[in-house]
Amino acid sequence: KAGVTQTPRYLIKTRGQQVTLSCSPISGHRSVSWYQQTPGQGLQFLFEYFSETQRNKGNFPGRFSGRQFSNSRSEMNVSTLELGDSALYLCASSSQGPVLNTQYFGPGTRLTVL
Amino acid sequence: QKEVEQNSGPLSVPEGAIASLNCTYSDRGSQSFFWYRQYSGKSPELIMFIYSNGDKEDGRFTAQLNKASQYVSLLIRDSQPSDSATYLCAVNIGTTNFGNEKLTFGTGTRLTIIP
Repeated sequence: KAGVTQTPRYLIKTRGQQVTLSCSPISGHRSVSWYQQTPGQGLQFLFEYFSETQRNKGNFPGRFSGRQFSNSRSEMNVSTLELGDSALYLCASSSQGPVLNTQYFGPGTRLTVL
Repeated sequence: QKEVEQNSGPLSVPEGAIASLNCTYSDRGSQSFFWYRQYSGKSPELIMFIYSNGDKEDGRFTAQLNKASQYVSLLIRDSQPSDSATYLCAVNIGTTNFGNEKLTFGTGTRLTIIP
């Protein structure tokens, strides 16, 4: 079974721009969670989608948004990029959710904001 | 107070010894607890989960949970150099209602096993 894939793997943007990251979950998984990982703050939960609905949300500003499609693929969008948005963005998929089932992480997208 | 706290380390343990990793959490109502391992440059992977007070063993790994003290730990017996990684504690903070699938992670403890 193919693992979780994320595209692109690396991205360089400038302040004020917007960015869209993509995540393809493991086949059959309906839950996709997004995380931001930075050296100072660690792994922080952004949001979780299940069957095209945002079911859970972390404490991030509204500039961070996401969606999930009917095939469970998910995208997250960050608008009006700030320097502090530079981070590794990880998505993870699970069958029903990361508490109910094991979640598997993708390789991440490294975003650098200049 | 952070919702999930871990000692950032680094924690150095001789090969063959027991490595003990600790985690405390703030929400007394939390019910589900997870340990993830993250090798340098790699993504986290789940190694243990525990829901009930007491010990849960899986091979060389033992998770321990004490809800009264709001404390969860991970013991690694017979530590191997391949166990060198950052260990992340994650807690399902909040209500236990169906659909609460949010995990709050600690900042991780970096473990180094010395040959």
